Amino acid sequence: EAGVAQSPRYKIIEKRQSVAFWCNPISGHATLYWYQQILGQGPKLLIQFQNNGVVDDSQLPKDRFSAERLKGVDSTLKIQPAKLEDSAVYLCASSLSLRTGSYEQYFGPGTRLTVT
Amino acid sequence: GQQVMQIPQYQHVQEGEDFTTYCNSSTTLSNIQWYKQRPGGHPVFLIQLVKSGEVKKQKRLTFQFGEAKKNSSLHITATQTTDVGTYFCAADQTGANNLFFGTGTRLTVIP
Repeated sequence: EAGVAQSPRYKIIEKRQSVAFWCNPISGHATLYWYQQILGQGPKLLIQFQNNGVVDDSQLPKDRFSAERLKGVDSTLKIQPAKLEDSAVYLCASSLSLRTGSYEQYFGPGTRLTVT
Repeated sequence: GQQVMQIPQYQHVQEGEDFTTYCNSSTTLSNIQWYKQRPGGHPVFLIQLVKSGEVKKQKRLTFQFGEAKKNSSLHITATQTTDVGTYFCAADQTGANNLFFGTGTRLTVIP
């Protein structure tokens, strides 16, 4: 079974520039999550999708971050404009539908973003 | 808001010694999950605890969920070098699987 795919793996940009990350979840997984993990900290949930609808985006800085999952499969996360404090690893995860009672989240390899 | 604290932040043990990490939430939880992240890797699911007072075992790992569903622990018996990594608890307050990850405990095992 293929895992969660993310690209790019690494990205270096200057502050005030824009950047986008892509995630393809495990086939059949209805729920998709984006996390931000700053070095030395635990992952912080940015947004959670159930199919193509948003379940939780309470911790997403909406003035600069946006995410979409238009067809209920893959997803993109965008930062515009980036700030120095956005330097982190951005992790995508997926899980089966909550209706199945399956909560295990499968994480992708992440995108390491450096903002200079 | 939701706060999840883990102690200790770091732990160095000799191979063969036991290891325990503790997780405390400021609020009652629907369930709690544990993940392991190897250096340079991504979090990998270990277990989910749902019931008050629940205890689950996976080989050398023992997981407990407190009676009040506010705290949890992970105990590793006779650590091995393959146990190296950061162990995170992740709290689910609402049952919607929107997790608050703890601060993590970084385990180093000295051969």
